[in-house]
Amino acid sequence: EAGVAQSPRYKIIEKRQSVAFWCNPISGHATLYWYQQILGQGPKLLIQFQNNGVVDDSQLPKDRFSAERLKGVDSTLKIQPAKLEDSAVYLCASSSPDRNYGYTFGSGTRLTVV
Amino acid sequence: KQEVTQIPAALSVPEGENLVLNCSFTDSAIYNLQWFRQDPGKGLTSLLLIQSSQREQTSGRLNASLDKSSGRSTLYIAASQPGDSATYLCAVKNSGYALNFGKGTSLLVTP
Repeated sequence: EAGVAQSPRYKIIEKRQSVAFWCNPISGHATLYWYQQILGQGPKLLIQFQNNGVVDDSQLPKDRFSAERLKGVDSTLKIQPAKLEDSAVYLCASSSPDRNYGYTFGSGTRLTVV
Repeated sequence: KQEVTQIPAALSVPEGENLVLNCSFTDSAIYNLQWFRQDPGKGLTSLLLIQSSQREQTSGRLNASLDKSSGRSTLYIAASQPGDSATYLCAVKNSGYALNFGKGTSLLVTP
């Protein structure tokens, strides 16, 4: 089966600019997650979708971050305006709705804000 | 709130040694626990998934155990190789699907 696809792989932007990341989950996986991983830390959940509805966005900085999942498949995560502390790897993962199912992660997007 | 701790934070061993990575969690009401490997600048690769009803899982030279009552899991790597050098992350799933991660153990296996 094809894995979780993410793009771009790397992005360098100046602070106050905007950026968008794209994710295509494994076919048939209804649940999609965006995680932020700061250097030296474990991944932290930003937002969780079930089909095209938001299940949990409690840790998403909503003043600057937004995410959508149109038609319950692909998803985009946007940051506007970016801050220096947003420099991190942004990971997308997908999972079956079965709670006993594991996660599959994409390769991530490394964002550097200068 | 689930807290996941991994010990040690970093580990350096000579090639061929057997080693154990530790993971502990505060809330034992988990659905499953998953061990991941992360190479520098890369995403996460799933190594082993242990359901809450299971005690251990094995894949090749890797063995993961789970003691849910004490809130602990270990990842055992047999006959380590330089190619095993990476960061190993432990993550637990409670209700609501989301995974809670530890900070990881950075492993270096020297030739």
